Amino acid sequence: NAGVMQNPRHLVRRRGQEARLRCSPMKGHSHVYWYRQLPEEGLKFMVYLQKENIIDESGMPKERFSAEFPKEGPSILRIQQVVRGDSAAYFCASSPRGQFSQPQHFGDGTRLSIL
Amino acid sequence: TQLLEQSPQFLSIQEGENLTVYCNSSSVFSSLQWYRQEPGEGPVLLVTVVTGGEVKKLKRLTFQFGDARKDSSLHITAAQPGDTGLYLCAGEPGGSEKLVFGKGTKLTVNP
Repeated sequence: NAGVMQNPRHLVRRRGQEARLRCSPMKGHSHVYWYRQLPEEGLKFMVYLQKENIIDESGMPKERFSAEFPKEGPSILRIQQVVRGDSAAYFCASSPRGQFSQPQHFGDGTRLSIL
Repeated sequence: TQLLEQSPQFLSIQEGENLTVYCNSSSVFSSLQWYRQEPGEGPVLLVTVVTGGEVKKLKRLTFQFGDARKDSSLHITAAQPGDTGLYLCAGEPGGSEKLVFGKGTKLTVNP
């Protein structure tokens, strides 16, 4: 889907475990965004990152959630001590630069299920 | 908090009919994007509108951005079963790179 690669596509975790979601942006894109989609809800912004920098994390829960986009490798969304309410589809998007009206291209998401 | 309200939430029509989906807000957006999402997949960008009053056409789809940049519409002419899907509008608030999404319109086109 437009070159943004997310893995795994499906992830099952038990309550209390850690979940790590990966996102490789499109070639040439240096800006990454994470969104969460709950059933029957729209996508909600979580965090916006550039290489080695978190630009806007206003949508991230204050506890258990963290994100990084290292100089080398994919962006990682990490959820510690998962709870049932974390079950959702997590989407990553990328854009070439974070400027006005640059379209964001989405991956196919990671569907996280908490047992 | 800037919100985007989409209507209708669900729409089921027969092949060949025309339809319009609306995306409204009380806030101004720098740009507005329309996406289509299939089950189990990510949103796929259809169009970006930037200028108030702008109209863009993509085959049988016509997108319009309101003059005040607070609302948008998507009109589909002669709908086909392949148009079935979830249509999402997303706005870029001024000064922010994050997107605010509507909840979507789930369209079903019956053959």
